[in-house]
Amino acid sequence: GGIITQTPKFLIGQEGQKLTLKCQQNFNHDTMYWYRQDSGKGLRLIYYSITENDLQKGDLSEGYDASREKKSSFSLTVTSAQKNEMAVFLCASTKMRTKNTEVFFGKGTRLTVV
Amino acid sequence: GQQVQQSPASLVLQEGENAELQCNFSSTATQLQWFYQSPGGSLVSLLSNPSGTKHTGRLTSTTVTKERRSSLHISSSQTTDSGTYLCAIGASGGNYKPTFGKGTSLVVHP
Repeated sequence: GGIITQTPKFLIGQEGQKLTLKCQQNFNHDTMYWYRQDSGKGLRLIYYSITENDLQKGDLSEGYDASREKKSSFSLTVTSAQKNEMAVFLCASTKMRTKNTEVFFGKGTRLTVV
Repeated sequence: GQQVQQSPASLVLQEGENAELQCNFSSTATQLQWFYQSPGGSLVSLLSNPSGTKHTGRLTSTTVTKERRSSLHISSSQTTDSGTYLCAIGASGGNYKPTFGKGTSLVVHP
């Protein structure tokens, strides 16, 4: 088995601040994802990466940057935190298969902007 | 883009009752996965079932790909089953981007 580690678990930022969230996986998976989860809105894809140094925009990429310097790590930057923003950011990874592909998630980073 | 509708939005049961959760999707999916999320917790993969019927423990998933629907049956529910159940679908390929439904919130009372 493997594990996805997200740091920090809790992040409190100030309006306008640039904030970075980190994710590490030891599954040796090729593809990694960043999702945002808001109450009542489900999970929305921010960025994903199919291999080292690759970046693909999701539906919610505006206001975010991402970086995949190594296969095992994928970081997300909130370029300018919005006041009163509260959300959970979830990192995930997978190894594509023809069938029964499974995506695995980290425990999340909870962001609060004051 | 792809859309995923889950029903019911919420479900309340007494311990021991069975639960039937539905997932309908707007376009052909060659990958489908069910997840469980405990209150305040992260997503845990329950099973991957893009077609046919699959069992694991008290869970049974049936996916009818041509009809773009999947169900998750939980037998003999327990209070520890309480939480949110999410369905995610996508198409196989290098750019695999799972699309999630909003989930079914399940509460099981003792």
